Amino acid sequence: DAMVIQNPRYQVTQFGKPVTLSCSQTLNHNVMYWYQQKSSQAPKLLFHYYDKDFNNEADTPDNFQSRRPNTSFCFLDIRSPGLGDAAMYLCATSRGEGDGANVLTFGAGSRLTVL
Amino acid sequence: GQNIDQPTEMTATEGAIVQINCTYQTSGFNGLFWYQQHAGEAPTFLSYNVLDGLEEKGRFSSFLSRSKGYSYLLLKELQMKDSASYLCAVLDSNYQLIWGAGTKLIIKP
Repeated sequence: DAMVIQNPRYQVTQFGKPVTLSCSQTLNHNVMYWYQQKSSQAPKLLFHYYDKDFNNEADTPDNFQSRRPNTSFCFLDIRSPGLGDAAMYLCATSRGEGDGANVLTFGAGSRLTVL
Repeated sequence: GQNIDQPTEMTATEGAIVQINCTYQTSGFNGLFWYQQHAGEAPTFLSYNVLDGLEEKGRFSSFLSRSKGYSYLLLKELQMKDSASYLCAVLDSNYQLIWGAGTKLIIKP
């Protein structure tokens, strides 16, 4: 089945210790997104890529970086996690064009705990 | 600023009908989405409305009134598995998705 896969599902890190979260997709979608979601809150968009074009949201902290080395993979790097960065990190994809261009397909999420 | 309002929590009985409302104020409008999110899981797509009216999909229906900045999600024949959060999101004029905080729906037997 075509899908969006995130690894790891659960990540525990220490304050200030870098973390990398990965996302892969077999849907051949043009657009990939990284969202941060805290309990009972709306998802907050951190970055998105349309193909290789990178789009950084204005209020995404510099502590967060992203890479998309090819159309199938995307990574989220948190350089120095703080306690406030504990959250669920959701990767999503969309076609970007045609029918259902903006319908998001999400991965299962990576839950980050910061000690 | 841009804003999506939906109730924080609702309770309904198994087998009944529930309507979850969403009002929005955004810079332009290019469509409204409803997503379902079970606790600890990722959101899954339910419906998309871009024109006024009702879209029906099985037990779930979604309604849009652009002039009123209003949508609702109607769930019929409620099942225990429908206990989840329901997120309303609007695509603005820049094709940015503006999310509501979600409505937690609790289904009681």
